[in-house]
Amino acid sequence: DAGITQSPRHKVTETGTPVTLRCHQTENHRYMYWYRQDPGHGLRLIHYSYGVKDTDKGEVSDGYSVSRSKTEDFLLTLESATSSQTSVYFCAISGTSQETQYFGPGTRLLVL
Amino acid sequence: AQSVTQLDSQVPVFEEAPVELRCNYSSSVSVYLFWYVQYPNQGLQLLLKYLSGSTLVESINGFEAEFNKSQTSFHLRKPSVHISDTAEYFCAVSGRGQGAQKLVFGQGTRLTINP
Repeated sequence: DAGITQSPRHKVTETGTPVTLRCHQTENHRYMYWYRQDPGHGLRLIHYSYGVKDTDKGEVSDGYSVSRSKTEDFLLTLESATSSQTSVYFCAISGTSQETQYFGPGTRLLVL
Repeated sequence: AQSVTQLDSQVPVFEEAPVELRCNYSSSVSVYLFWYVQYPNQGLQLLLKYLSGSTLVESINGFEAEFNKSQTSFHLRKPSVHISDTAEYFCAVSGRGQGAQKLVFGQGTRLTINP
């Protein structure tokens, strides 16, 4: 298994509070991605990174920001959580644009 | 931009029966195609992928998929399923030459194997 961990694995928070999810890799891969999974929608790309300090928006980026200050960590921040952001969040990594994306175990977030 | 449609949200089959999970895509550029599998309470694992070359690709556990450019399809098949194949299956597409591999996923097909 690719060395990807996500923390926390579960989180319950209240509307309006900030939340940061962490993705950590030990593979030294260049590309990192954040997806959210919702019933009936499959997975949708939120943001991705193609290097340290290099990030870009995905399909559903509104309400989310990311940061990557070192190769191994990619942070996803919800500045002010809303109930519509209740979801399961997956991080993925890949070495090149053609290589397989390896997914982390996921973070289950509930916004009350 | 790309989009993916998985035509069946749920597919129930009996053990040892054949199965086909359907996937159609649309794209204005050439694509890479993928099938991922998600077992209960786990992350996604790559099942197989088409990047180039032979249009028929196979996985190590007996699944195969065929890239059909004219029909814009990438259907997943297995001639004889096992209880352990019970999972959710996602078809995904990304555009070639776009830098990062920005996957666009279908809605998923839940495969249930009955004994």
